[in-house]
Amino acid sequence: GAVVSQHPSWVICKSGTSVKIECRSLDFQATTMFWYRQFPKQSLMLMATSNEGSKATYEQGVEKDKFLINHASLTLSTLTVTSAHPEDSSFYICSARTGHEQFFGPGTRLTVL
Amino acid sequence: QKEVEQDPGPLSVPEGAIVSLNCTYSNSAFQYFMWYRQYSRKGPELLMYTYSSGNKEDGRFTAQVDKSSKYISLFIRDSQPSDSATYLCAMISSGGSNYKLTFGKGTLLTVNP
Repeated sequence: GAVVSQHPSWVICKSGTSVKIECRSLDFQATTMFWYRQFPKQSLMLMATSNEGSKATYEQGVEKDKFLINHASLTLSTLTVTSAHPEDSSFYICSARTGHEQFFGPGTRLTVL
Repeated sequence: QKEVEQDPGPLSVPEGAIVSLNCTYSNSAFQYFMWYRQYSRKGPELLMYTYSSGNKEDGRFTAQVDKSSKYISLFIRDSQPSDSATYLCAMISSGGSNYKLTFGKGTLLTVNP
């Protein structure tokens, strides 16, 4: 199956700092990439959808100025959590689409102190 | 009525049992059906992908789709402790630029040795 990587796998930061998470499709070019967050024992919640070279589309309730998404190429998307606060602590998972299949990265656990 | 309904369980079975996981859906626009497996603190892993009614088999896993009843199933034969995970059904509606992946809430499965 297709492989999606994420980096870092976990990160701890101080409140007020910004954190960047990278998502790469390793063996395919992704039509679209997605960013999800997941709280413990809950389902994945879609945050935003991005296509290469265009602005991301954010889901209702997701602050676009706080969660900056850059989709630089067909294999790379980044999520930057700006001025992170403890309530932003969560599990962030990216996903990449090719055709009608969607593959997920291993996730990044963000802890904001 | 939610678009996708999935019993969250938890489901506990002995090793070697046949496991049946199910989802129902209400949106006739769903055309593609997937099952993902998610281990704790990991991203979802695509297990099965189907787009037509009928059965699809891959090793110990069989995916079944009944579009007339809006019902999909995943069967796991000879279940193993390593199958213990959360299983998410997912469905895609796709028309032009209107691609959308919708998850069920996930069923937590424990296979006891």
